[in-house]
Amino acid sequence: GAVVSQHPSRVICKSGTSVKIECRSLDFQATTMFWYRQFPKQSLMLMATSNEGSKATYEQGVEKDKFLINHASLTLSTLTVTSAHPEDSSFYICSARAGAPKVGAFFGQGTRLTVV
Amino acid sequence: QQQVKQSPQSLIVQKGGISIINCAYENTAFDYFPWYQQFPGKGPALLIAIRPDVSEKKEGRFTISFNKSAKQFSLHIMDSQPGDSATYFCAASVSGATNKLIFGTGTLLAVQP
Repeated sequence: GAVVSQHPSRVICKSGTSVKIECRSLDFQATTMFWYRQFPKQSLMLMATSNEGSKATYEQGVEKDKFLINHASLTLSTLTVTSAHPEDSSFYICSARAGAPKVGAFFGQGTRLTVV
Repeated sequence: QQQVKQSPQSLIVQKGGISIINCAYENTAFDYFPWYQQFPGKGPALLIAIRPDVSEKKEGRFTISFNKSAKQFSLHIMDSQPGDSATYFCAASVSGATNKLIFGTGTLLAVQP
């Protein structure tokens, strides 16, 4: 399969600060990347679709000013959680869609964010 | 209509047994159905996927059965092993500009030695 690298894997930050999470497609180019949030023992909730060179598309209920997404190149998308609060603590996962021959959506390792 | 319903929520299988997880969907526009395996603290890993033009796909011990008329698909894990213990998610998407995946609720599989 294709490789998607996400960094950092864990981050602890103070309430009110901002945190940036990077998602890279290592062996393919991804015009579209996706950001998910996952609560313990629950499914993945799509937050936004990140399109290279254009604005991200956010799902209903997701605050675009709080979760800033930048997709500046075909291999890198970033999610910045601004003015983080304890309720933002969660597992954030990115994915990228690969085209032929590596067809499918491939996920990063996830980032465990803890806001204290 | 965008939902993908998954069952069971949890499953316990003996080593060597067959694990079966089922999913159902409503949106007939879905044309890509992958299954993902997720271990605690890790991102989901693509296991196997199928498109609606075939009724079955097999890769090693993993098989997807697809019933287009019933709008159902299932994952069969043959000769289940303790290392298969994980959470499994089915998903569906529509080919197109966004290709965003709609995930099922997940099944926690425990394979007992």
